[in-house]
Amino acid sequence: DTGVSQNPRHKITKRGQNVTFRCDPISEHNRLYWYRQTLGQGPEFLTYFQNEAQLEKSRLLSDRFSAERPKGSFSTLEIQRTEQGDSAMYLCASSPATGELFFGEGSRLTVL
Amino acid sequence: AQTVTQSQPEMSVQEAETVTLSCTYDTSENNYYLFWYKQPPSRQMILVIRQEAYKQQNATENRFSVNFQKAAKSFSLKISDSQLGDTAMYFCAGRDNYGQNFVFGPGTRLSVLP
Repeated sequence: DTGVSQNPRHKITKRGQNVTFRCDPISEHNRLYWYRQTLGQGPEFLTYFQNEAQLEKSRLLSDRFSAERPKGSFSTLEIQRTEQGDSAMYLCASSPATGELFFGEGSRLTVL
Repeated sequence: AQTVTQSQPEMSVQEAETVTLSCTYDTSENNYYLFWYKQPPSRQMILVIRQEAYKQQNATENRFSVNFQKAAKSFSLKISDSQLGDTAMYFCAGRDNYGQNFVFGPGTRLSVLP
């Protein structure tokens, strides 16, 4: 069990560019979550997958955001036309049937 | 929709003392799960303890225990014999039984002082 892995750990980009984050969950977990966390705040739910199906999306997830989980394994979160307000830590977590979340170390995005 | 409230933005405790962090979880559901997560500075979030709402007994994990008062919607975390390594942000979270969305509170920053 290598835990939840996220890449890249840090990304600095210019406003208007596209960025993509990858999450590799714990292999036997069929549920995968994306959260966004800004400094000093709690994680805010973005979206959730069960296997390859995206079952829930937050209203925070504007049409510039898209997430996929092909084949129910790793997941990607893409942000198009980044804005300075997108600067945050993007957290991925996976979950077994027992329901608790196992988090990765996060991908920190800075939009200049 | 569920809401999670943590009314203590920051707390401090002397090493070896006991501290209690507060949380309220408001939901219309009768069955749900509650969690406390710890996020050390620049480190990933890890689970401290979980509680099923239908269980009468409060959960305990070594130095960590909860006081769950369902009617009052209260879910507090007690840390006994505080250690320097307990310094972290602590987040309370909840998930309704039939939902899959975990909702987090704003967190409490705990500092353990030597």
